[in-house]
Amino acid sequence: AQSVTQPDIHITVSEGASLELRCNYSYGATPYLFWYVQSPGQGLQLLLKYFSGDTLVQGIKGFEAEFKRSQSSFNLRKPSVHWSDAAEYFCAVGAGTSGTYKYIFGTGTRLKVLA
Amino acid sequence: DTAVSQTPKYLVTQMGNDKSIKCEQNLGHDTMYWYKQDSKKFLKIMFSYNNKELIINETVPNRFSPKSPDKAHLNLHINSLELGDSAVYFCASSRVLAGEDTQYFGPGTRLTVL
Repeated sequence: AQSVTQPDIHITVSEGASLELRCNYSYGATPYLFWYVQSPGQGLQLLLKYFSGDTLVQGIKGFEAEFKRSQSSFNLRKPSVHWSDAAEYFCAVGAGTSGTYKYIFGTGTRLKVLA
Repeated sequence: DTAVSQTPKYLVTQMGNDKSIKCEQNLGHDTMYWYKQDSKKFLKIMFSYNNKELIINETVPNRFSPKSPDKAHLNLHINSLELGDSAVYFCASSRVLAGEDTQYFGPGTRLTVL
């Protein structure tokens, strides 16, 4: 069965420090992978996505993610975190055919940024 | 211009009542979705519609009835509300129902059942 695992429920980093949020997926075919961010009381905003090609993808707000097929991972990174990055981050895999296609989300990682 | 909008933003009601949440997208997309986010922030798809046709019904109780009057709107009606229905409900849309397409989410409707 398809699934997405985000092993870290909470992460705390200092402002200016680097960040890596982990995401592992289970999916039999080539995955479509997404990272979304949810600020408090807000909807979900797409940070970046991977469909094919270069395994290092760049997103908005200085985020990037690397697809590693051998590790079934799609980790999100940022070299220097800003206080405004404090939010909930969701990894998702797009799974299924046109008749069954849906996103499967991980349980999210809550990021806290210390001043 | 808001791409995907939902009304209301907050909804507080008593058990047993019937309520509706409305969703509209102005992106010209063909596909729309409803997701439920529970108290632990877990997001799960409930329904998807493509060109007003129901595509996915993810074993949701039949107290939940989505309706798509046109491609730009997908409303969610909930009958006989229960405590466990308390959650944040997100509407989303995408251009097509396909793997490479991005879903755009609305701001959510926080439903509280007392």
